[in-house]
Amino acid sequence: DAMVIQNPRYQVTQFGKPVTLSCSQTLNHNVMYWYQQKSSQAPKLLFHYYDKDFNNEADTPDNFQSRRPNTSFCFLDIRSPGLGDAAMYLCATSRESTGVETQYFGPGTRLLVL
Amino acid sequence: GENVEQHPSTLSVQEGDSAVIKCTYSDSASNYFPWYKQELGKRPQLIIDIRSNVGEKKDQRIAVTLNKTAKHFSLHITETQPEDSAVYFCAASKPGGYNKLIFGAGTRLAVHP
Repeated sequence: DAMVIQNPRYQVTQFGKPVTLSCSQTLNHNVMYWYQQKSSQAPKLLFHYYDKDFNNEADTPDNFQSRRPNTSFCFLDIRSPGLGDAAMYLCATSRESTGVETQYFGPGTRLLVL
Repeated sequence: GENVEQHPSTLSVQEGDSAVIKCTYSDSASNYFPWYKQELGKRPQLIIDIRSNVGEKKDQRIAVTLNKTAKHFSLHITETQPEDSAVYFCAASKPGGYNKLIFGAGTRLAVHP
């Protein structure tokens, strides 16, 4: 089945210890997104890739970085996680279009920072 | 910047009743309005969407209406069931922004048997 996959589903890290979350997709979509979602809040866009073109949201902290080595994979790197970075991290994809297209979300990775 | 307001923040109904969630957007260039359902600990799932060239769309018990003049859109769920209990997010998007979604704050719907 075509889908968006995220690994791991749960990640525990220590304060200040770098962590990488991964996302892969079989939809062959050009655009990939990373969202942070805290409890009882809407998803907050961190950044997105249009093919290899990286686009950072203005309020995304420098602590968050991303890599997209190919169309299928995208990684979220948190260089020095703080307690406030504990959240659900959602990857999403959409097809390139001159209009607007549906975003499809992965199952998310829940990050716990100790 | 663009903003989407969503009301109510919580909604409690009896099984079989209807539920209505309303959203208002600020950017008149927005032309795509999806609704996502998110169960606890799970991904947001698209349940219905509407584009600005139509005023209403229906899929079984779910319908969405759009009023472009007033810049608001609503989700209607009829004959609610306990499995409809979840958080519902509305969103708005416009062309030229890489499909960037502006989300509402969410509505927690509880359907009581």
